[in-house]
Amino acid sequence: AQSVAQPEDQVNVAEGNPLTVKCTYSVSGNPYLFWYVQYPNRGLQFLLKYITGDNLVKGSYGFEAEFNKSQTSFHLKKPSALVSDSALYFCAVSRPGNSNSGYALNFGKGTSLLVTP
Amino acid sequence: DVKVTQSSRYLVKRTGEKVFLECVQDMDHENMFWYRQDPGLGLRLIYFSYDVKMKEKGDIPEGYSVSREKKERFSLILESASTNQTSMYLCASSFVEGLTEAFFGQGTRLTVV
Repeated sequence: AQSVAQPEDQVNVAEGNPLTVKCTYSVSGNPYLFWYVQYPNRGLQFLLKYITGDNLVKGSYGFEAEFNKSQTSFHLKKPSALVSDSALYFCAVSRPGNSNSGYALNFGKGTSLLVTP
Repeated sequence: DVKVTQSSRYLVKRTGEKVFLECVQDMDHENMFWYRQDPGLGLRLIYFSYDVKMKEKGDIPEGYSVSREKKERFSLILESASTNQTSMYLCASSFVEGLTEAFFGQGTRLTVV
């Protein structure tokens, strides 16, 4: 089964410092990996995805993620954190339907990022 | 902009009631999904649909059913609401192939009393 794990419930970082939110995956076949962000009382917003190609993927709001096949990881990174980056972050992996029609996403449990001034 | 609209932001229902959560998308997406979000558990897939009248169970379908009579609309039905169904419900949609991102609605916070 396709799954992802986020080993940290919370990550704290000072504004201006680099941030990393960790995600590891377990899949059969090629992984299609995604990162989403959720601000308080809002739905999820797409940040970036890895399908194939370059291992460093750039996304919205200055975020990027590094795909590492040998470590089965897809960590989210940002060079300089902002207080406004404080939110809940979810890693996800694509999962095919049982009938091989359509697909859904399996999500990790989420990591709460707190950026302090 | 893609819009996925859920009919209610907040709902309070009584135990045993039949509850309908409605979701509409405007991007002609084939896939539509219902997730449940609970603290510490992340998002769990209840049902998804890859075409009109087609549906597939997710990881936690018990106590729920769905309806997709039109491509743009996907309804989640709680046949007899129970207190353990108190949660945040998120609808999403995407194109059918697995390489594109899903777009989410704003969520419905359901409280069953």
